[in-house]
Order: sequence, then C-alpha cells, then structure tokens
Amino acid sequence: RKEVEQDPGPFNVPEGATVAFNCTYSNSASQSFFWYRQDCRKEPKLLMSVYSSGNEDGRFTAQLNRASQYISLLIRDSKLSDSATYLCVVNPIKAAGNKLTFGGGTRVLVKP
Amino acid sequence: DGGITQSPKYLFRKEGQNVTLSCEQNLNHDAMYWYRQDPGQGLRLIYYSQIVNDFQKGDIAEGYSVSREKKESFPLTVTSAQKNPTAFYLCASSKWGGQGNQPQHFGDGTRLSIL
Repeated sequence: RKEVEQDPGPFNVPEGATVAFNCTYSNSASQSFFWYRQDCRKEPKLLMSVYSSGNEDGRFTAQLNRASQYISLLIRDSKLSDSATYLCVVNPIKAAGNKLTFGGGTRVLVKP
Repeated sequence: DGGITQSPKYLFRKEGQNVTLSCEQNLNHDAMYWYRQDPGQGLRLIYYSQIVNDFQKGDIAEGYSVSREKKESFPLTVTSAQKNPTAFYLCASSKWGGQGNQPQHFGDGTRLSIL
C-alpha cells in the first residue's frame, strides 16, 4: 500500500460548482499535512496546510480525519483557473524531521 | 525577491556524461531537497540536506550525487550511472522543523532529457 494515495481523476467540474476529493495516508503517526497545487509542467505551490480542526482559505476548505486517516480538500464556486493537479502531502514520521511524502495528485478540470 | 532559482531550465545529456543541476535559495532556509517527477507521477525524493556539509539519501539516490558547501546552494549531479535520467527535477527548501510541520517551497524546475 502506498504511503499517500489519491484518486488521479480527472474530476470534471462545471464552473461555479463545488468539488471535493480525499487523500488517504497509511501511517497513523503522521503529523503534518499539506495541499499543494501543480499546474501543467510547473512546480508545485503550497495551497494550504491542514490543521486538526480543519481550516478554510477563501473558497478552499481542508479537513483532517485522523480516525479514518484521510484528508480532504473542497473547492467552492470553482473557477476556470482552479484547473490543476492537487497534491496531497504528508509528513509521515515526526522523527524524520521535515521529510515529506507526496501523493500522485488529483487532476481537476473546471469547464465553462 | 526571495525565492529558489534552478538552472538551467532545460538540459540535454549525452550517453556517459555527468551533468549538474543548480539550485540556489535566498530564503535563509536550513533544509534543501531534490525531487524527481516522471510524467503523470508524484514526486520522489532523491537527496535532502538539513544543514551545511550534511546530506542524506532519499528514496531514489542511486545514480545521483549532491554537495552542500553553502547554505544557499545544493547542486545535484546526475551521473552516467543513472540509466533513465529523463525527468522533471525539482529543488525545494524549507525551515528545518523538528516537528515536521514546515512546508517546502519549490524552484521552477529543470527538465532533463537524453540526447
């Protein structure tokens, strides 16, 4: 089983709609979680950190479910510019310092 | 502007040749990382460095070498031993958080191809 798993998609989303997707992680001791956005042939960019209590940044909401070992990302009022691959990133082991494990990404396509 | 600079943007390697990818950061970050990304795949860690003059192998270090002589610089050499070097190479840096809660910030990458 992979350490971090994501549905590769693509998720085809009408403009203005809401889309949500999950990422599961295998190590229950994982401490830190992030969502990154990667545009085609570009570098990943930090979208948001994911906190235990859940957090929101504008149209984006991230949730953490430790019991079921997954994090989620919800995008409201989708814009064409939200089309990208969303990478789930986990720090699996506290003792490993800041090494991060990246999921394979979920591709989102927002269409007019 | 603070950031991470990778060069060159595109690089071609001949058979049996070693090539070096540059990564420089002016964010005053302690930690630096090298990843490889293949088409449609996630990022895989090649090497990382927590502090000057120290570095650790990642998951796919074979065929690669690094050095960390200065805090700002973490060059990656792709040696002739790496038989499948064609990929997108990404350098990142972060504060070194013992709690593992520091996000990494990326350069804009180098695309390496075999001639």
